[in-house]
Amino acid sequence: DGGITQSPKYLFRKEGQNVTLSCEQNLNHDAMYWYRQDPGQGLRLIYYSQIVNDFQKGDIAEGYSVSREKKESFPLTVTSAQKNPTAFYLCASSALAGVNEQYFGPGTRLTVT
Amino acid sequence: EDQVTQSPEALRLQEGESSSLNCSYTVSGLRGLFWYRQDPGKGPEFLFTLYSAGEEKEKERLKATLTKKESFLHITAPKPEDSATYLCAVQAAGYSTLTFGKGTMLLVSP
Repeated sequence: DGGITQSPKYLFRKEGQNVTLSCEQNLNHDAMYWYRQDPGQGLRLIYYSQIVNDFQKGDIAEGYSVSREKKESFPLTVTSAQKNPTAFYLCASSALAGVNEQYFGPGTRLTVT
Repeated sequence: EDQVTQSPEALRLQEGESSSLNCSYTVSGLRGLFWYRQDPGKGPEFLFTLYSAGEEKEKERLKATLTKKESFLHITAPKPEDSATYLCAVQAAGYSTLTFGKGTMLLVSP
């Protein structure tokens, strides 16, 4: 089955700790994206990558970091500098050929206390 | 700056009661408009892509239409399993990222 996997589904951390969220895709898509979703807000873009070893900041990149060492993988690190990290995090990918239909993973709910 | 506004924020229907969700957009050259369905605690599921004004697409009880300023998602004779949040997003010409609206939460009661 082709798709996008995110792990874990739920993640709990103490304030001040960095945490890395996993995203893997086997759709052979070039582009991958990280979004954050908060109640009452739309999806907000954190980072995206169109090619291996390259990525760009989205609208809310502060306090986050990413890497793209393999086409299939795009992990997101939530650092201690992120002031309000508790949220639902979504990873997506797209083929990047013209119109950009994005396909999403199941999400990771991060709770920081 | 691209903007997407969805209305209403929430909609409650009786089973079989048809209605429409609205997505108004402002974008400098539309490359594509997308509709997604999102169930609670899950990732959005892709439904439709619309490319140009006048285009329509259908899937089961859903039909999406597009004008130069807005898109409608028509739901005909909805069932309780259609309950979800419906998201609209746009891609501007020359850009690879999407701008999402905040969504419409639909509840269909039996």
